[in-house]
Amino acid sequence: EIVMTQSPATLSVSPGERATLSCRASQSLSGNLAWYQQKPGQAPRLLIYDASTRATGIPARFSGSASGTEFTLTISSLQSEDFAVYYCHQYNDWPRTFGQGTKVEIK
Amino acid sequence: EVQLLESGGGLVQPGGSLRLSCAASGFTFSSYAMSWVRQAPGKGLEWVSSISAGGVNIYYADSVKGRFTISRDNSKNTLYVQMHSLRVDDTAVYYCAKPSSAWSPFDYWGPGTLVAVSS
Repeated sequence: EIVMTQSPATLSVSPGERATLSCRASQSLSGNLAWYQQKPGQAPRLLIYDASTRATGIPARFSGSASGTEFTLTISSLQSEDFAVYYCHQYNDWPRTFGQGTKVEIK
Repeated sequence: EVQLLESGGGLVQPGGSLRLSCAASGFTFSSYAMSWVRQAPGKGLEWVSSISAGGVNIYYADSVKGRFTISRDNSKNTLYVQMHSLRVDDTAVYYCAKPSSAWSPFDYWGPGTLVAVSS
């Protein structure tokens, strides 16, 4: 099973600042990595797929990058609606696995 | 507009059974693999099971293998999961999820249905 490790568990950021979230995979994903945003009481929303491609309707302030088995989600300038929990997800192999999540909270 | 709506959740005793359904609309259901993902209260996301468009290829998480059965009825645009031998740690919101294509990540999710396993 591919283990996905996210860091940090919680990120405290002021509105307008940049947020950088990390996700490390235990083995190669061949770029098959997605990021989701989840707000309380809501289903997850797909932000990024194929490590760096924004999903339909996702603002340009969200970007994804990859370096080997290390993946990064960057939110360039945090808006109030961006405070949420973010999950990475590998779809390269079975079983599919998720990271444990990073909570982005208001500083 | 793509819509996924889960139903069938509820309170069940340990060892009991439950069948969840997911009614799909707004897309050609028979052309897409579908999945179930769950989330225990206050916890992260856990993939449960996936089924190919035609129902031939099926995958399960080890935590549910042998107890859960995923299926689909393409004539009714509905996804199912039959859950047996339920345990307290199966308590979660269960989401039905659709990929953007083939086995890609999930671009649409239902609102979820809560399964609570408790005596």
